[in-house]
Amino acid sequence: QLQLQESGPGLVKPSETLSLTCTVSGGSISSSSYYWGWIRQPPGKGLEWIGSIYYSGSTYYNPSLKSRVTISVDTSKNQFSLKLSSVTAADTAVYYCARLRQWLRFRDAFDIWGQGTMVTVSS
Amino acid sequence: DIQMTQSPSSLSASVGDRVTITCQASQDISNYLNWYQQKPGKAPKLLIYDASNLETGVPSRFSGSGSGTDFTFTISSLQPEDIATYYCQQYDNLRTFGGGTKVEIK
Repeated sequence: QLQLQESGPGLVKPSETLSLTCTVSGGSISSSSYYWGWIRQPPGKGLEWIGSIYYSGSTYYNPSLKSRVTISVDTSKNQFSLKLSSVTAADTAVYYCARLRQWLRFRDAFDIWGQGTMVTVSS
Repeated sequence: DIQMTQSPSSLSASVGDRVTITCQASQDISNYLNWYQQKPGKAPKLLIYDASNLETGVPSRFSGSGSGTDFTFTISSLQPEDIATYYCQQYDNLRTFGGGTKVEIK
């Protein structure tokens, strides 16, 4: 059974870079049927898609975050990662990684999620 | 950017009631729409994909419909375990979630 687990610091200082890793277990990150993504949720608020990546390294990002976001993949470790630079208190959120299942080209959904990790931006 | 507007933002209904949530896209997204359920403190769960297709293992009391800009999510008979926040999400152009609808028991 496929599982995703987020890891990384729970506290980041303002203006620094937030770095998280998602480890995929029980399956291969290199499967052609899936993309992988990051979604966040500020406390008490809704979901915000951050970006997604294919095992080949192809990425697409939320335009509102694009200038600060980098998502990368390490197929040898079955992991993908998120870096968000120049963080502020507004970036405080639960960060989820998720699998994006494709059933047809350009048709997909986040079908398996990690448990989420809380990241607080504070000095 | 495509904006997704859900309504209502919250609702209270009795067990056994029919519950309906709407989601409106700012432009035509065909049926490129998913619905998720999120219980407190938990990750979201995929319920409906392609606007109307039930994800495997999801109870049949959940359903979705719509195309273009207007979509509906329905719980035919509300159960206590359905207490959650529900989100729509478009995938016609990048990915955008609606603001969520919190469902409570009256």
